[in-house]
Amino acid sequence: GAVVSQHPSWVICKSGTSVKIECRSLDFQATTMFWYRQFPKQSLMLMATSNEGSKATYEQGVEKDKFLINHASLTLSTLTVTSAHPEDSSFYICSARMSSYEQYFGPGTRLTVT
Amino acid sequence: DAKTTQPPSMDCAEGRAANLPCNHSTISGNEYVYWYRQIHSQGPQYIIHGLKNNETNEMASLIITEDRKSSTLILPHATLRDTAVYYCIVRVATSGTYKYIFGTGTRLKVLA
Repeated sequence: GAVVSQHPSWVICKSGTSVKIECRSLDFQATTMFWYRQFPKQSLMLMATSNEGSKATYEQGVEKDKFLINHASLTLSTLTVTSAHPEDSSFYICSARMSSYEQYFGPGTRLTVT
Repeated sequence: DAKTTQPPSMDCAEGRAANLPCNHSTISGNEYVYWYRQIHSQGPQYIIHGLKNNETNEMASLIITEDRKSSTLILPHATLRDTAVYYCIVRVATSGTYKYIFGTGTRLKVLA
């Protein structure tokens, strides 16, 4: 199957700083990528839909100024958590849409804000 | 809003079939049902998807009721490596693309 990577796999940052997470489709081009957040023992919650060359579409309740998404190429989308706080600590997962029926998930990035 | 309902947990004996139910009573006619699984601290892995016909692949079978209000994922011979959280997902069309609405998932434990 197609491969989606994320970098870093885990990151620890101090409260008030910003952290960037990359999502790459390694062997296919993805016009659409998705960002999810997952708290411990909970399901995945869609945060935003990232479209190459245009602004991301955020789900209700997700602060667009806090979670900046950039989809600059067909193989790369980035999520920047700005002014991170401990409550932003979570598992962030991206996915990339290969076709109408196929969507592949990355391995996730664990963010810990101290 | 989640469009699927799943039991929170299930156990299955190794080598037996695991039948995981999902209720999606509000599904629309053009919305697909997808199943993914997630092993601890990893990204979800695709299993199978369907619209209204039953589907089978090398991993599992998907049985969708005629009214499409529920479905069952069948792992024919469960192994210890099938222990994971299984998500039943409805794919929703929105703003020119599709997005997945995850349910709460079923934590399947395969017992030796």
